[in-house]
Amino acid sequence: KNQVEQSPQSLIILEGKNCTLQCNYTVSPFSNLRWYKQDTGRGPVSLTIMTFSENTKSNGRYTATLDADTKQSSLHITASQLSDSASYICVVGRNTGGFKTIFGAGTRLFVKA
Amino acid sequence: DTEVTQTPKHLVMGMTNKKSLKCEQHMGHRAMYWYKQKAKKPPELMFVYSYEKLSINESVPSRFSPECPNSSLLNLHLHALQPEDSALYLCASSQVGLAGGRRFTDTQYFGPGTRLTVL
Repeated sequence: KNQVEQSPQSLIILEGKNCTLQCNYTVSPFSNLRWYKQDTGRGPVSLTIMTFSENTKSNGRYTATLDADTKQSSLHITASQLSDSASYICVVGRNTGGFKTIFGAGTRLFVKA
Repeated sequence: DTEVTQTPKHLVMGMTNKKSLKCEQHMGHRAMYWYKQKAKKPPELMFVYSYEKLSINESVPSRFSPECPNSSLLNLHLHALQPEDSALYLCASSQVGLAGGRRFTDTQYFGPGTRLTVL
């Protein structure tokens, strides 16, 4: 079954600290993996997208890694800011020529002053 | 311009009303999507249009009727909704391409959403 599992479900950190969010998937055949940030009540905003051959991609203070062998990805946030408080969603695309992508349930991150 | 716009931002409607949600993008994307999102849940795919043709309908009730008038616009017509249809409705768009004989879609760009409340 094609699934995307994210952990932890929620996370509280202090401003300025680093954190790492995890994404494990069983989606096959794999096409790409995307991380999105979603503020409450707003649409998701793309942070990174990685294909099979890429194992790391950065976007400012966000760094995503991908291990296609173990089917794991992580999103590392450096020097967190209050504005990083949001849900982070891992989305995996299938290489079947279709349009469907598999969404994880998301990790809710709370950054406190 | 990497923006997907949606109107209205908020909509309150009764169960007998007819309303429409609108979505627009000018990125030249040929795939457009409607998602429904409940609180603290990931978005659920409703419809996909590819080159202005309905490609996917995820068994959505007929009280939701999508329309793609042209490559930049996507509408969702609402009629006789139920209170459980209250949710955030998200529109997205993406590039569509061919590689190795297979169609692929690039990153989906999402709009800000329409917060729908059905009374």
